[in-house]
Amino acid sequence: TAGITQAPTSQILAAGRSMTLRCTQDMRHNAMYWYRQDLGLGLRLIHYSNTAGTTGKGEVPDGYSVSRANTDDFPLTLASAVPSQTSVYFCASSVDRGETGELFFGEGSRLTVL
Amino acid sequence: GQNIDQPTEMTATEGAIVQINCTYQTSGFNGLFWYQQHAGEAPTFLSYNVLDGLEEKGRFSSFLSRSKGYSYLLLKELQMKDSASYLCAVMDSNYQLIWGAGTKLIIKP
Repeated sequence: TAGITQAPTSQILAAGRSMTLRCTQDMRHNAMYWYRQDLGLGLRLIHYSNTAGTTGKGEVPDGYSVSRANTDDFPLTLASAVPSQTSVYFCASSVDRGETGELFFGEGSRLTVL
Repeated sequence: GQNIDQPTEMTATEGAIVQINCTYQTSGFNGLFWYQQHAGEAPTFLSYNVLDGLEEKGRFSSFLSRSKGYSYLLLKELQMKDSASYLCAVMDSNYQLIWGAGTKLIIKP
């Protein structure tokens, strides 16, 4: 079973360029999330979606946007990348947000902004 | 503010037992999670505690004391494949997950 698929797995991007990280899940989960993981810090929530058609801001939303047109897809867009957005990005899903169930993570997208 | 503290790095010997501690200060509490993350890979779920006490799952056990804001993950009969980072996360009263920075566990033969 695929679970959550992220693309690309890694990318080098020039500052000022735009980039969309793709995330697709096949578990029919309602809730989806984007996190960034930086050395020495815990996972930080960028944006989330409770269900298709709705999105919300997490802890560090600035410089990022998301959309949730359907249940399966939750792309993350950087409109104008800056070096501080160099990070590993994880997409995750859960049955519902607010449920105390586990998160399922994609394999991550390593982004370097130069 | 909300805070999760766990040691940055621990070293243990293959076949031994190791305890990874996690202390937390959050706005409310709706459960504590432990995840395992091998280098370069995604985090995977290990355990969930919402009531005080010990939850055992094979070689791994997780303990919670809500009054002390404290949890630990106990790994027995350590294997080389247990070398990984272990992430502690608490769900607050708004059902938001607050994550610790993770504990890197190094297993030596």
